[in-house]
Amino acid sequence: EAGVAQSPRYKIIEKRQSVAFWCNPISGHATLYWYQQILGQGPKLLIQFQNNGVVDDSQLPKDRFSAERLKGVDSTLKIQPAKLEDSAVYLCASSSARGGETQYFGPGTRLLVL
Amino acid sequence: AQSVTQLGSHVSVSEGALVLLRCNYSSSVPPYLFWYVQYPNQGLQLLLKYTTGATLVKGINGFEAEFKKSETSFHLTKPSAHMSDAAEYFCALTGGGNKLTFGTGTQLKVEL
Repeated sequence: EAGVAQSPRYKIIEKRQSVAFWCNPISGHATLYWYQQILGQGPKLLIQFQNNGVVDDSQLPKDRFSAERLKGVDSTLKIQPAKLEDSAVYLCASSSARGGETQYFGPGTRLLVL
Repeated sequence: AQSVTQLGSHVSVSEGALVLLRCNYSSSVPPYLFWYVQYPNQGLQLLLKYTTGATLVKGINGFEAEFKKSETSFHLTKPSAHMSDAAEYFCALTGGGNKLTFGTGTQLKVEL
């Protein structure tokens, strides 16, 4: 079974530019997550989707971050405009159901904002 | 509210020695507990998880962890370290949902 796919793997931008990340979850997984992992810290949940609806976006900085999951499959995460503190690894994960099921992670997108 | 504390941001062991990575948690509901491993420039891979039932959980690559409710701990162990175990290890929990709360991670170094 194919794992969670993410692209691009690396991105370098200047502050105030915009950037978008793409995620394709494991086939059939209804739940999709975006995490932000700042160097030296554990991943922090940004947003959780159940099919194409948002379950939890309480930690998403909505003034600059947006995410969508059209048709309940692929998802994109956008940052506009980027700040220096957005430099991090953005991880996408998926799981088959709610309630403690294992989350499977993609390789991540490493973002550097200069 | 829930939280995870990993004691020791860096742990160094000799090849063949016991690996012990410490994790303590706080949760207002019965937690599901996880250990993930992250190799350089890769995503997180599940090592093992505790949901209910047997408190000693065996995972991949010879790792195991024991859920101790009285101590609110879920320490990760491996009897004999291998060079390939060098990576960052994250303890995480969910409490009544799918939102994972992670610890800050422990970098394991294995020396010859």
